[in-house]
Amino acid sequence: DTAVSQTPKYLVTQMGNDKSIKCEQNLGHDTMYWYKQDSKKFLKIMFSYNNKELIINETVPNRFSPKSPDKAHLNLHINSLELGDSAVYFCASSQGLDSPLHFGNGTRLTVT
Amino acid sequence: AQSVTQLGSHVSVSEGALVLLRCNYSSSVPPYLFWYVQYPNQGLQLLLKYTTGATLVKGINGFEAEFKKSETSFHLTKPSAHMSDAAEYFCAVIPSGTYKYIFGTGTRLKVLA
Repeated sequence: DTAVSQTPKYLVTQMGNDKSIKCEQNLGHDTMYWYKQDSKKFLKIMFSYNNKELIINETVPNRFSPKSPDKAHLNLHINSLELGDSAVYFCASSQGLDSPLHFGNGTRLTVT
Repeated sequence: AQSVTQLGSHVSVSEGALVLLRCNYSSSVPPYLFWYVQYPNQGLQLLLKYTTGATLVKGINGFEAEFKKSETSFHLTKPSAHMSDAAEYFCAVIPSGTYKYIFGTGTRLKVLA
């Protein structure tokens, strides 16, 4: 009974392809996030949804599109993948906007 | 802009020695403060948090941190390091009036036998 689960764990694909990462949380939290962690471990927020509504949208290329079908799910679709998109993507959830984050185990995306 | 600075991207300590990981934030108003730990191939886990009240905060695995407003610091300590403490540690803040986490660049803790 994993709290925040994301799939797949690893994703290897070629430049120009489109891919999706799925995230589900069973904690009953209202807020979900996508973070990107680069090779130097720097962690940067990409998006945040509160009750299915987009509330944080950082300066992320519009090739990245989040979708939240319900409070428990937040998926990330990436179009026209580029080499620079290679990173570990973390889904997270929290009870409120200033509450501790609960992270998934990450999806390591490698674009070749 | 608000920021979080973690001094030392790598820290090595001997097993049984004191662990001290430094975190300073820039904010005129005390933010919410957090420490997270990341083990290899895993997501981040909350170690401890400070919102209001007592400035010495105890967390899991024997870690604690003290909020010092005058120094704008929130350093993480543990009296005696264990091999299992080897991981990446992140300080994070939520600046007052915002709902956006800002993470530090992380400190990799190595514990030597």
